[in-house]
Amino acid sequence: GNSVTQMEGPVTLSEEAFLTINCTYTATGYPSLFWYVQYPGEGLQLLLKATKADDKGSNKGFEATYRKETTSFHLEKGSVQVSDSAVYFCALSSMDTGRRALTFGSGTRLQVQP
Amino acid sequence: GAGVSQSPSNKVTEKGKDVELRCDPISGHTALYWYRQSLGQGLEFLIYFQGNSAPDKSGLPSDRFSAERTGGSVSTLTIQRTQQEDSAVYLCASSLRGEMNEQYFGPGTRLTVT
Repeated sequence: GNSVTQMEGPVTLSEEAFLTINCTYTATGYPSLFWYVQYPGEGLQLLLKATKADDKGSNKGFEATYRKETTSFHLEKGSVQVSDSAVYFCALSSMDTGRRALTFGSGTRLQVQP
Repeated sequence: GAGVSQSPSNKVTEKGKDVELRCDPISGHTALYWYRQSLGQGLEFLIYFQGNSAPDKSGLPSDRFSAERTGGSVSTLTIQRTQQEDSAVYLCASSLRGEMNEQYFGPGTRLTVT
């Protein structure tokens, strides 16, 4: 079946530091890949997505590249801000299941200190 | 426009009672999903509705859980004879069919079973 593995948190960084959150996946077929973010007290929001190999998703300074050869979709940001403190979820969906429901990783909490 | 809404935002119930959780998807979205977010299990898929097709119930954890979607819009998730392990945040999401599965999430209902 499908699965997503994320690095465990919390990840604690100082403001303006470089961020990487690792994500690898196992899936049949050709899944679409997503990063969702959950800010404190808020619901899940789509941060970025990529639908085929070598696609790069980007939004709000965050980037992730769909690497089929390594089955990875690592999230990066060059300079984090305090406002980026949140929980980040890597997810995939695969039409092979016929339902497009998302399979999520366990989430990585990011804490950015001023 | 209006996003996905869920009610109630919080629900405290006694073990053994039945509860109903409601989801109003984004207007025009034909796909609707229920997920559960709990400390021990992360984000889990529960059930999926797509238009008038039979729902995919493969994620429901037991026969105490059921859901319906009336008129292709509002959905209700019902949990009968609640147990303490049902305590979690129940999330609803909707999407446009064919839009590469970009799901929009509601704020969730926090269920606490005492």
